Amino acid sequence: GAGVSQTPSNKVTEKGKYVELRCDPISGHTALYWYRQSLGQGPEFLIYFQGTGAADDSGLPNDRFFAVRPEGSVSTLKIQRTERGDSAVYLCASSRGPLDGELFFGEGSRLTVL
Amino acid sequence: EDKVVQSPLSLVVHEGDTVTLNCSYEVTNFRSLLWYKQEKKAPTFLFMLTSSGIEKKSGRLSSILDKKELFSILNITATQTGDSAIYLCAVEVDSNYQLIWGAGTKLIIKP
Repeated sequence: GAGVSQTPSNKVTEKGKYVELRCDPISGHTALYWYRQSLGQGPEFLIYFQGTGAADDSGLPNDRFFAVRPEGSVSTLKIQRTERGDSAVYLCASSRGPLDGELFFGEGSRLTVL
Repeated sequence: EDKVVQSPLSLVVHEGDTVTLNCSYEVTNFRSLLWYKQEKKAPTFLFMLTSSGIEKKSGRLSSILDKKELFSILNITATQTGDSAIYLCAVEVDSNYQLIWGAGTKLIIKP
């Protein structure tokens, strides 16, 4: 696609539920990143994919968070047993390759956990 | 610990004014510094700086990096209401795929 696409744009869920957030990167971009951004903060790194593999998942806060990119394109961020503290905007970004600082961001998925 | 600090945290000026936003960093294995503009949700890329003293310019926006003093500035001249946004600074390091982000400067331009 022309840009990075994220769905849903908004998700409201109840504490304890499972959510999936989807990211469709720019075609041909091999690097894909997930970030989380809270109000008044810069993006917080979660996980980085190079191709199909998670090259760096050190930013995932705990084992309730998991992400996949099975075919090296679309990625899904999965959050189990959601907590109120998970509420944030989840941003996905892609770039042509690793260590290419020009990231192209999607519009984000705003997650609200009630 | 690597860190990026932006100042001021927020700034309110009138249309036509010139603003200077600051970004200082302390990181190991510096590779580049990037500026992004975030209006609603998606940050959009402005500049990537790798060399000291070389100004990058795009219209009314310009930026420069000082690798000795470990900071960068972003200048916006003749500001317009459309410049209102959060301006984010991030640093790329060699050993890490993560960008280290500052908290941003919230810029409000009043008509």
